[in-house]
Amino acid sequence: DQQVKQNSPSLSVQEGRISILNCDYTNSMFDYFLWYKKYPAEGPTFLISISSIKDKNEDGRFTVFLNKSAKHLSLHIVPSQPGDSAVYFCAASFGNEKLTFGTGTRLTIIP
Amino acid sequence: DAGITQSPRHKVTETGTPVTLRCHQTENHRYMYWYRQDPGHGLRLIHYSYGVKDTDKGEVSDGYSVSRSKTEDFLLTLESATSSQTSVYFCAVQGGVGYGYTFGSGTRLTVV
Repeated sequence: DQQVKQNSPSLSVQEGRISILNCDYTNSMFDYFLWYKKYPAEGPTFLISISSIKDKNEDGRFTVFLNKSAKHLSLHIVPSQPGDSAVYFCAASFGNEKLTFGTGTRLTIIP
Repeated sequence: DAGITQSPRHKVTETGTPVTLRCHQTENHRYMYWYRQDPGHGLRLIHYSYGVKDTDKGEVSDGYSVSRSKTEDFLLTLESATSSQTSVYFCAVQGGVGYGYTFGSGTRLTVV
């Protein structure tokens, strides 16, 4: 049972435009959500997070939105840059316990 | 950077042989995790540790065991390797920014 789902395996976006990556979850007990970025042959690196008491968190070009009623979160990257091309994983946890990851979305930024 | 080193980085082994992967950290983090990454499955938790000699199973623990005799080392053992265990294995520690994990660079394991 996939508790965290990323339904788009891949996404292509023109450089300078907005990239929107989506994630859905089923477990209403999750209270902390994170996005990780992964380049080939490297480990995932932390990008941005959001607590369930918030609905938005920004860090530079990256913004995460959380819609608890829809059990949906999204990552917005604006403007998109070539270095943003990577695989993005969303993840969720309850009470700072072990993270549950989605299947990932491969983002390609087209110059 | 939490100073995480995974070894080996690459390994090819034969079906039925035991294999041990090592995760070493230098910053005394209490929590350590082993994940495997497979296409279409993302990252799945194998085992985790909350401290020395304190470990528990994740969602895909069958065929794997772990040990943590020192804070800095978390070992993952494939008791009798199978082709379905061909994967990329990542170790992570609890720490860094917020509740996020810091991952090692991974071990690519091929079972032939």
